[in-house]
Amino acid sequence: GENVEQHPSTLSVQEGDSAVIKCTYSDSASNYFPWYKQELGKRPQLIIDIRSNVGEKKDQRIAVTLNKTAKHFSLHITETQPEDSAVYFCAASNSHRDDKIIFGKGTRLHILP
Amino acid sequence: ETGVTQTPRHLVMGMTNKKSLKCEQHLGHNAMYWYKQSAKKPLELMFVYNFKEQTENNSVPSRFSPECPNSSHLFLHLHTLQPEDSALYLCASSHGDREAFEAFFGQGTRLTVV
Repeated sequence: GENVEQHPSTLSVQEGDSAVIKCTYSDSASNYFPWYKQELGKRPQLIIDIRSNVGEKKDQRIAVTLNKTAKHFSLHITETQPEDSAVYFCAASNSHRDDKIIFGKGTRLHILP
Repeated sequence: ETGVTQTPRHLVMGMTNKKSLKCEQHLGHNAMYWYKQSAKKPLELMFVYNFKEQTENNSVPSRFSPECPNSSHLFLHLHTLQPEDSALYLCASSHGDREAFEAFFGQGTRLTVV
């Protein structure tokens, strides 16, 4: 089955700097890669996703890149702000085969003042 | 609110008790999921139901028993749990088709086994 590895587990960046979180997946058939943000005491919520037919997607300060050959994808947050502090989860799934969404172990992002 | 509601929000139960967690969605989704969130495994998939049929049981112990009576409701029946089962149990739903895959999560049930 699919296995998703996520690094780092904890990340601290100065406010205004950029943050990068990286994930790898094992199943070459996976074709959908969402990123979820979970603030303290709240539920995970989708912030951006990418499908396997594109290599990059951007939404304001957030961007995701996908390298299908290497089976890795990354989340980039620019001009970080205090409200970006949260746990971020990457995930992978195969929309053509089943509905399993397999998550990485999460990255706790701290934005330092 | 994401449209996915879980009850109760908090539950404390003894190891010999039987209890049930409930999840309800009115988003018209066909797929529903149970995830376990703990410090060791932050988002661990337990069960998947698609069009009321169980399509995934991720090697979950039999003391956890899911039930999906219809596309809008999902239950997790608990019996003879262990202290290590204490965790946040999250329900999620998605369209379950090939084009709309976003999973919407409930607020979760914080379970403590004593």
